[in-house]
Amino acid sequence: AQTVTQSQPEMSVQEAETVTLSCTYDTSESDYYLFWYKQPPSRQMILVIRQEAYKQQNATENRFSVNFQKAAKSFSLKISDSQLGDAAMYFCAYRSPLGETSGSRLTFGEGTQLTVNP
Amino acid sequence: DAGVTQSPTHLIKTRGQQVTLRCSPKSGHDTVSWYQQALGQGPQFIFQYYEEEERQRGNFPDRFSGHQFPNYSSELNVNALLLGDSALYLCASSAGEVTEAFFGQGTRLTVV
Repeated sequence: AQTVTQSQPEMSVQEAETVTLSCTYDTSESDYYLFWYKQPPSRQMILVIRQEAYKQQNATENRFSVNFQKAAKSFSLKISDSQLGDAAMYFCAYRSPLGETSGSRLTFGEGTQLTVNP
Repeated sequence: DAGVTQSPTHLIKTRGQQVTLRCSPKSGHDTVSWYQQALGQGPQFIFQYYEEEERQRGNFPDRFSGHQFPNYSSELNVNALLLGDSALYLCASSAGEVTEAFFGQGTRLTVV
């Protein structure tokens, strides 16, 4: 079974600065998908960024980028130019490749609460 | 597009009772997954429905059951509620296994 670990329960950053959230995972599969989701107080889980394991290039979405280290099974999220609206709980999630018995179910980490200070 | 909608938003039940939570998937999506998120923890996969059948199931007891209707909407039923069932229940929809999952705002269930 796959596991996802987020070792930072809480992080804080000053507005306009950069912060990196850590995530490690364990799997025996060679192909899979990794995601970062954001959950603000409104509770709705919002997709921030995704990474396909077969792609060597790190994914980027505007101010959000990842550092994907497949051999180390590490998947960190970097938020640049942090904004007050970035404050939320961030979850790292793993999904098996299409067609596998575990299908499209997501395995989540425990989350990192990000505070952005003005 | 209304996205994924869940009802009700909040619910209080007494231990031993039964509860039904509802989910309407995003337009064009045919797969619905349910997750339980205890306070301060990450979501845990309960089960997934596709073509009106349970396709995958997580490590949850038989007290948790579900249903998917021909219009792809879904229900989550929990029988014999325990205090430990108190959590945020999230519904996520996707189009088969191709797209990312889109989540609803959740139903906060409190068992007293």
